Amino acid sequence: AQSVTQLDSHVSVSEGTPVLLRCNYSSSYSPSLFWYVQHPNKGLQLLLKYTSAATLVKGINGFEAEFKKSETSFHLTKPSAHMSDAAEYFCVVSGNRGSTLGRLYFGRGTQLTVWP
Amino acid sequence: DVKVTQSSRYLVKRTGEKVFLECVQDMDHENMFWYRQDPGLGLRLIYFSYDVKMKEKGDIPEGYSVSREKKERFSLILESASTNQTSMYLCASIQDRRVTRSPLHFGNGTRLTVT
Repeated sequence: AQSVTQLDSHVSVSEGTPVLLRCNYSSSYSPSLFWYVQHPNKGLQLLLKYTSAATLVKGINGFEAEFKKSETSFHLTKPSAHMSDAAEYFCVVSGNRGSTLGRLYFGRGTQLTVWP
Repeated sequence: DVKVTQSSRYLVKRTGEKVFLECVQDMDHENMFWYRQDPGLGLRLIYFSYDVKMKEKGDIPEGYSVSREKKERFSLILESASTNQTSMYLCASIQDRRVTRSPLHFGNGTRLTVT
């Protein structure tokens, strides 16, 4: 079975400081992992994805995530937060086989607040 | 650019009403999904469809049904709306079920309130 746990429901940072959003996953086999972002009153947008290639994945807007199999983690980071990064972030694992093919399993979300 | 359009941004309905939420995508995607989003619960899959006239239950199908008569349109139906169905509903589509090859494209959501 696939699932993800986002360890923080809310994260607050000051503009210009690093961002860390934590995610742990559970998967029966090699997972595909994603981070999606949702800005207020908008649909979800793909930030980045891991698909068993490089373990450090770079996404849009300066975000990156590192896949660590030994820790079953896929934490999202950004060196310097910007006000426009304030949004809700979802860690997602995909089903890769059989009846789960094409299905995405979402974490509960982390609300990122950026203070000026 | 792929566009997924949900017909209503806000909807208010009464308990017991039959409610239709419409979703249209313009990129000939085979796969379409309906999710429900609630604070602190993330997105939960209600139903999905891999082809016209095909549908499969997701994780929380109770109280919902769907219709896919045309490839571009995927409708979510609340047969008899209840207050616990007050939520944000998100439609999504993707061309390839192997989701690693392309991203899921989401609509902007329909916020449904059942009174």
